[in-house]
Amino acid sequence: GAVVSQHPSRVICKSGTSVKIECRSLDFQATTMFWYRQFPKKSLMLMATSNEGSKATYEQGVEKDKFLINHASLTLSTLTVTSAHPEDSSFYICSASKVSNTGELFFGEGSRLTVL
Amino acid sequence: EDQVTQSPEALRLQEGESSSLNCSYTVSGLRGLFWYRQDPGKGPEFLFTLYSAGEEKEKERLKATLTKKESFLHITAPKPEDSATYLCAVEIQGAQKLVFGQGTRLTINP
Repeated sequence: GAVVSQHPSRVICKSGTSVKIECRSLDFQATTMFWYRQFPKKSLMLMATSNEGSKATYEQGVEKDKFLINHASLTLSTLTVTSAHPEDSSFYICSASKVSNTGELFFGEGSRLTVL
Repeated sequence: EDQVTQSPEALRLQEGESSSLNCSYTVSGLRGLFWYRQDPGKGPEFLFTLYSAGEEKEKERLKATLTKKESFLHITAPKPEDSATYLCAVEIQGAQKLVFGQGTRLTINP
């Protein structure tokens, strides 16, 4: 199956700092990548859809200025949590779809963000 | 509003005790229904895609079925290594995204 790599897997930062999470598709080109947030024992909440070379599409209620998404190439998307606060602590997961099939997503391993 | 509901929220079984997980959905138009497995602290792992009512897919001890309103994930003679959270998601026609259910936490006791 396709491989999606996410880095870092864990990050702890101080309140007010910014954190960048990378998502890479290692063996395929991903025209579309998705960023999800997951709270403990809860399901995945879609934050935004990222298309290579264009602006991300954010879901309702997700702050564009706080969660900056960049999809600079067909294999890399980044999520930057700006001016992080403790309530931003969560498990962030990216996923990517191959060109022809949107539904079969390949997920990264997730990034656990803890804001002190 | 598009909705995906999974039941039960949690299920404990003895090794070898077969059961089924349910995923019911209310969507404007279904393009596909997906099952994923998620282990603690990990990203979801793809299991099945179902596209039309009546379709069935099998993989080892798992079988997924689809009707017009719901999907079942049947697990036959489960083993402890089948313990995980099983997520159901639907892809809605015209929308380039998946809507996930809240998952079923399955625990198989040896």
